Amino acid sequence: EVQLVESGGDLVQPGGSLRLSCAASGFPFSSYSMNWVRQAPGRGLEWVSYISSSSRTIYYADSVKGRFTISRDNARNSLYLQVNSLRAEDTAVYYCVRVPRFSAAGAADYWGRGTLITVSS
Amino acid sequence: DVVMSQSPLSLPVTLGQPASISCRSSQSLVYTDGNTYLNWFQQRPGQSPRRLIYRVSNRDSGVPDRFSGSGSGTDFTLNISRVEAEDVGVYYCMQGTHWPPLTFGGGTKLEIK
Repeated sequence: EVQLVESGGDLVQPGGSLRLSCAASGFPFSSYSMNWVRQAPGRGLEWVSYISSSSRTIYYADSVKGRFTISRDNARNSLYLQVNSLRAEDTAVYYCVRVPRFSAAGAADYWGRGTLITVSS
Repeated sequence: DVVMSQSPLSLPVTLGQPASISCRSSQSLVYTDGNTYLNWFQQRPGQSPRRLIYRVSNRDSGVPDRFSGSGSGTDFTLNISRVEAEDVGVYYCMQGTHWPPLTFGGGTKLEIK
């Protein structure tokens, strides 16, 4: 069974930093690309970042470029998101989302349960 | 970026009746490989999203056959043939053809009348 378990969310002051983690199991993590997608309270879904299976290809949403850094450790079956210079508008549940294999274009299948970042003074 | 527009915003449905959600994209979603990367997700209250449909009309494993997807180009539809109580939640379409970024519709909230 595919499992994605996020952690690391917290209440943080504007300008602060956090490191989100996603522990993957139930599939060969090193063979899959991954996304982070976020959802502000009561709002819709917003794609944040993508990393290929080898970490060779990385993309970011314009709203987080220069402030967030995606990375992965295939030996630990883990995905990360370093979030810096946090703003109130970054308040959201952050989901770790798997990309199905052999998808020629952008895609998403399994989602974790999410971890909440609250940015407030 | 491709804009995804969903309607209606809210969809009250009587149990056992059909439901239909529309999703329109600002550009054609046909990719260079001939496939159309349009997905549908269901988000039940308090849960994370779950993919129901991929590439317009392919149902994911375990998804009841009362859910079906259709459409082409820029116009897509998610149909539920007979709504059940467990179908309550918010439904999102998502395109992956013109990425990055992946873009989502604003969501349609299905509730029981």
